[in-house]
Amino acid sequence: DVKVTQSSRYLVKRTGEKVFLECVQDMDHENMFWYRQDPGLGLRLIYFSYDVKMKEKGDIPEGYSVSREKKERFSLILESASTNQTSMYLCATGPTGNNQPQHFGDGTRLSIL
Amino acid sequence: DQQVKQNSPSLSVQEGRISILNCDYTNSMFDYFLWYKKYPAEGPTFLISISSIKDKNEDGRFTVFLNKSAKHLSLHIVPSQPGDSAVYFCAARRSDGGATNKLIFGTGTLLAVQP
Repeated sequence: DVKVTQSSRYLVKRTGEKVFLECVQDMDHENMFWYRQDPGLGLRLIYFSYDVKMKEKGDIPEGYSVSREKKERFSLILESASTNQTSMYLCATGPTGNNQPQHFGDGTRLSIL
Repeated sequence: DQQVKQNSPSLSVQEGRISILNCDYTNSMFDYFLWYKKYPAEGPTFLISISSIKDKNEDGRFTVFLNKSAKHLSLHIVPSQPGDSAVYFCAARRSDGGATNKLIFGTGTLLAVQP
């Protein structure tokens, strides 16, 4: 079974703080993804990475950055947290190749006060 | 611009009956479609998928139908069980999306199966 581990299930931070969300996968997958889930909006892609040190913007990258220094680890960074970044953050991983599903971690519920 | 649409935010079904969840898409470049199930406070779990070269895929109680001409897919759950109560997301992949399998998700449908 694919295991995707997100470092925190719940996190509370203050406006203006720099926030790090960590994700680790154990399946040696090339691709890793960060989404946020908000009511009525579904899952929206923030950033993804297809290899170590490689990253591409998703649909809503503003206010976020990412880091992938090792294949198994993909970090999402909120440079200066704002209240509109309060959300559920989901990390996913998937292999390269056609018709392969992504597999998700359990999510981090982040609240920015 | 919502390329993958789930127009029903919620659905209530009696235990033992069929649940039908619907999804519409607008981009004819989508070639691979998936359904995920999500319980509260957990991540989405992959349920079933279908390639655009097929019109049906079945896995136990779950069947996905694809109608390419209508740009419509549906998930059938028969028989429905209370443990199926969750939010269901459909997702689609663009054929020119490269090998990363980048997905576009719908907004989700909350299924409630009543005992």
